[in-house]
Amino acid sequence: ETVMTQSPATLSVSPGERATLSCRASQLISTSLAWYQHKPGQAPRVLIYDASTRATGVPPRFSGSGSGTEFTLTISSLQSEDAAVYYCHQYNDWPPYTFGQGTKLEIK
Amino acid sequence: EVQLVESGGTLVQPGGSLRLSCEGSGFTFGDYSMYWVRLAPGKGLEWVSVISWDGSAIYYADSVKGRFTISRDNDKSSVFLQMNRLKTEDTAFYYCAKGVWGPHYFASWGQGTLVTVSS
Repeated sequence: ETVMTQSPATLSVSPGERATLSCRASQLISTSLAWYQHKPGQAPRVLIYDASTRATGVPPRFSGSGSGTEFTLTISSLQSEDAAVYYCHQYNDWPPYTFGQGTKLEIK
Repeated sequence: EVQLVESGGTLVQPGGSLRLSCEGSGFTFGDYSMYWVRLAPGKGLEWVSVISWDGSAIYYADSVKGRFTISRDNDKSSVFLQMNRLKTEDTAFYYCAKGVWGPHYFASWGQGTLVTVSS
């Protein structure tokens, strides 16, 4: 099973600043990685798939990078509506599909 | 617009059974794999099960294998999760999600249905 580890657990960033979220895989997963945004009471939403491809309708301030075992989600200019929990998810080595434990992004 | 609507969540006693449903619309349901993912209180997302577009391939997380059964009815654009021998640790929001052709990420999600296992 591929274990996904996200850091930090909580991130507090001011509006307009850049937020950088990290995700590490316990083994090589190529670029088979997605990022999701989850707000309380809402459906999770895919932001990025294949490590760096933005999903339809996702603002360009969200970008993904990385391959192999190290991945990053960057939000270039934080807005208040970006407050959420963000999860990475690997789909290279399945079953099982595995998620990171999440990063809670707070807006200062 | 893709829509997924889950139903069936409720309070159930340990050892009990429950059947969750998820109805899809806005897409050709029978063309896509469908997934169940759960979110337990204070925990992160956990994949539960997947069923291929035609039901020929099915997989489960070890935590539910032998207790949960996934199925689908493409004529009714629905996927189901039969949950037996429920445990307190199965308490969670359960989401269904739609796959895509190619990479196995979860492209669209429902709002979830809450299952509470408690005496």
